Amino acid sequence: DAGVIQSPRHEVTEMGQEVTLRCKPISGHDYLFWYRQTMMRGLELLIYFNNNVPIDDSGMPEDRFSAKMPNASFSTLKIQPSEPRDSAVYFCASRAGLAGISEQYFGPGTRLTVT
Amino acid sequence: GENVEQHPSTLSVQEGDSAVIKCTYSDSASNYFPWYKQELGKRPQLIIDIRSNVGEKKDQRIAVTLNKTAKHFSLHITETQPEDSAVYFCAASSPGGAGSYQLTFGKGTKLSVIP
Repeated sequence: DAGVIQSPRHEVTEMGQEVTLRCKPISGHDYLFWYRQTMMRGLELLIYFNNNVPIDDSGMPEDRFSAKMPNASFSTLKIQPSEPRDSAVYFCASRAGLAGISEQYFGPGTRLTVT
Repeated sequence: GENVEQHPSTLSVQEGDSAVIKCTYSDSASNYFPWYKQELGKRPQLIIDIRSNVGEKKDQRIAVTLNKTAKHFSLHITETQPEDSAVYFCAASSPGGAGSYQLTFGKGTKLSVIP
């Protein structure tokens, strides 16, 4: 398996623009997580899905952020409009269920810079 | 929700010495405790994990201990090498909504091994 795939790897955009980050989880994994990592706040869970259904989006900073998982092999995280404080590395991760006792695999991340 | 505290935030050791990182958690229902290593510019990767029904686990130079009563767990690295230099994250897997489980991460420990 190729592991968790994210695109793009780097994104530079201007404030106010829409940004879409993409993730393909490992085949067979029924959980998908979106994290944001910054020096100040560490690794923050934004939202996670189980069997394509959003379970907890309490970590989504504000209404400018939205996430979808239309099928088991694809998810998007959208920021509209983007702001400089959204600059961070965004990780997607996936794992199999097994009542929480299973390895969670991270994708390579998308480094977002909003100018 | 679950809260994970990690200490210290930075740790410097001489090559060959041991390093210990400690974490505490709050949710007694947490059942799985992984440790991730993140090298600069890369994704977090699992290095060792422990389930709640086990008190200690060892893998070569790395060991993890768990005290369920006190709700704390620790990472021990012996005979440290320069390539152990990285940021280490502890995490706890706790029940979320709809029978799901999510990982809550500590803030990370930056380990520097001085040759």
